[in-house]
Amino acid sequence: DSGVTQTPKHLITATGQRVTLRCSPRSGDLSVYWYQQSLDQGLQFLIQYYNGEERAKGNILERFSAQQFPDLHSELNLSSLELGDSALYFCASSAVGGNTGELFFGEGSRLTVL
Amino acid sequence: DAKTTQPNSMESNEEEPVHLPCNHSTISGTDYIHWYRQLPSQGPEYVIHGLTSNVNNRMASLAIAEDRKSSTLILHRATLRDAAVYYCILRDALEPGTASKLTFGTGTRLQVTL
Repeated sequence: DSGVTQTPKHLITATGQRVTLRCSPRSGDLSVYWYQQSLDQGLQFLIQYYNGEERAKGNILERFSAQQFPDLHSELNLSSLELGDSALYFCASSAVGGNTGELFFGEGSRLTVL
Repeated sequence: DAKTTQPNSMESNEEEPVHLPCNHSTISGTDYIHWYRQLPSQGPEYVIHGLTSNVNNRMASLAIAEDRKSSTLILHRATLRDAAVYYCILRDALEPGTASKLTFGTGTRLQVTL
C-alpha cells in the first residue's frame, strides 16, 4: 500500500460526458502528479501540483483540468470525453525534498469511454 | 529531459541474477538516475536511485558507470514476483523545496520463468 488513494477504481461512461477523478496523497506530501497510461502511449505525464499551485504541465489536453485543494487532495476533471481517453489514470505524490525522494503511485482509476 | 535507452524485453530464470541495462549518454551532471517498476495491473513502484556511486537497497543494486553514461539495475535473485516493466529515468535536480516530475520511457519488460 503506497498510501496514495484514488477513486473511483473503475469508471465507465459515454462519449461527450464529463468525469472527475480524485486523489488523496500520502499524509504530508505536498506534490501531486497525474499520469495517463494507455496501451499505445505508455505512461504520459499530465500535470503536477505543489502545495496547491500548478508546478509543471505535460501532455494534458485542454479538455482536461486539475486542481489541488487546501487539504492537498487533487482532482482531475476530464470533459467532452472521447473514445481515445479510455486509459488508466494514475496519481502520485511526493514529499518536499528535491529530487532524491521517490514518487508514490496510487493503484489508478481505469476509465472506459464507450 | 535527457533520454534513456533500454532493451524492450529481457528474460530470466527464477533464482538467477538479472542485469537490466540503461544507456543515458546525454545525462547532465545534476541528473539523478531513478529506477521504477510496474507490476501488472499496478501503479509504478520506486526501486532505487543514485547520482554517481553504486547503491544498494533491499530490492536491488544500482551500478553506475564512471562516466555516468550508463547504469545497470541488478536484481540479485529474480523471483516470479519481479516480472514487471522496469523504467530507467533521469530526474532533474532542482532547488530544495521542489520536486520534479518523472518522464517515463517504454522500459524493459522482464519475464521470469521457472
